[in-house]
Amino acid sequence: DAGITQSPRHKVTETGTPVTLRCHQTENHRYMYWYRQDPGHGLRLIHYSYGVKDTDKGEVSDGYSVSRSKTEDFLLTLESATSSQTSVYFCAIRPGTSGNTGELFFGEGSRLTVL
Amino acid sequence: EDQVTQSPEALRLQEGESSSLNCSYTVSGLRGLFWYRQDPGKGPEFLFTLYSAGEEKEKERLKATLTKKESFLHITAPKPEDSATYLCAVQAISSGSARQLTFGSGTQLTVLP
Repeated sequence: DAGITQSPRHKVTETGTPVTLRCHQTENHRYMYWYRQDPGHGLRLIHYSYGVKDTDKGEVSDGYSVSRSKTEDFLLTLESATSSQTSVYFCAIRPGTSGNTGELFFGEGSRLTVL
Repeated sequence: EDQVTQSPEALRLQEGESSSLNCSYTVSGLRGLFWYRQDPGKGPEFLFTLYSAGEEKEKERLKATLTKKESFLHITAPKPEDSATYLCAVQAISSGSARQLTFGSGTQLTVLP
C-alpha cells in the first residue's frame, strides 16, 4: 500500500463547471502523476510534478491545470469541464528511492462523468 | 513519437490453457519496458521491468520476455484469479528525470474455470 488516496472517487458534473480532483499521499514521494484512462487509448499522461510548485505538462494537458502546494497533495483542475473529459483519472507516485524508475504506484481512480 | 500496441485486445482461456500476450513498441531509445496488471475498478499494479533484449522475468505463472521490437507475457496454466487487464508500457531514454511512461491499451484476459 503506497498510501495514495484519490477524491472524489466518483463525480457527475455538467459541461462548463469547474472540477478539482485531489490526490493525497502519505509517504513524501517527490514525483506524482495524473493519468487519464479511456477505452482504446490506454493510460495517457496529463501532468506531472517533481516537487512542491514544480509541475510540467504531459501529452494530453489541454483543458487541465495542476497545483502542488504541499508534498502530499497534487490537485488536478478542469477549469470548464467538457464531455470529452469524461474519463477515469488515476494519480500515481514514483518512489524516489527505487532504482526501478518505471515502477509506479497508482491510486484507485476517480471516475468523472461530464454531462 | 513513442508507441505501444498490445494484442490481442481480449483473450479468453480455459483454466490451465497456456497462452501469450504481445506488446509491440517503437521508441527512440528504450530505457525500460514494464508490465502492469489492472483489476476492474482498480489502479494498475506493477508486475515486471525489462531493460534489454533477451531479458526474462518470472512471477508465479507469468513470464515476461523482451526483444528489440516486442515483449511477450507468457501465462502458464492460468487460473481464474489471473483474469485481469494486462498493460504494457515503455520508458524512453529521452523521458528525462520525470521518467514518463507510454502505455498500451491493454489485453483483457479472462480465465474460465
